[in-house]
Amino acid sequence: EIVMTQSPATLSVSPGERATLSCRASQSVSSNLAWYQQKPGQAPRLLIYGASTRATGIPARFSGSGSGTEFTLTISSLQSEDFAVYYCQQYNNWPQTFGPGTKVDIK
Amino acid sequence: EVQLVESGGGLVQPGGSLRLSCAASGFTFSSYWMSWVRQAPGKGLEWVANIKQDGSEKYYVDSVKGRFTISRDNAKNSLYLQMNSLRAEDTAVYYCARGKSGYGYWGQGTLVTVSS
Repeated sequence: EIVMTQSPATLSVSPGERATLSCRASQSVSSNLAWYQQKPGQAPRLLIYGASTRATGIPARFSGSGSGTEFTLTISSLQSEDFAVYYCQQYNNWPQTFGPGTKVDIK
Repeated sequence: EVQLVESGGGLVQPGGSLRLSCAASGFTFSSYWMSWVRQAPGKGLEWVANIKQDGSEKYYVDSVKGRFTISRDNAKNSLYLQMNSLRAEDTAVYYCARGKSGYGYWGQGTLVTVSS
């Protein structure tokens, strides 16, 4: 099983600032990685797939990069609606696995 | 508009069974892999199972193998998860999701509570 780790566990950011979230895989997942945003009481929302492709309707301030074992989600200028938990997921191998999440909260 | 609506959750005793359903609409259901993902209270996301468009391939997380069965009925645009021998650690919100390479659409989830 591929183990996904995310850092930091919590990221405190002021509105308008840049946020950089990291995700690491225990072995290569190529570019078969997705990022999700989840707010309390809601289902997750797909942000990025293929490591760097924004999903439909996702604002350009969200960008993904990386391949192999190291990945980054960048939110260029945090808006109030971006405070949430972010998960990465690898779908290169079964079982598909999620990271433990990074909570982005208001500084 | 794509919609996924789960049902069938509830309170069940350890060792019991439940069958979850997911009604799909707004897209050609038979053209997509489908998935179940769960989230224990206050915890992160856990992938549970995938099923191919025609049901010929199914994959499960180790912790549910032999106890859970994913299935689909393309004529009814429906996805199912039969859950047997339920354990306390299966307590979670269960989501159905479309796809297998990034889940672009999710249902609202159905809560399964396993407790005596």
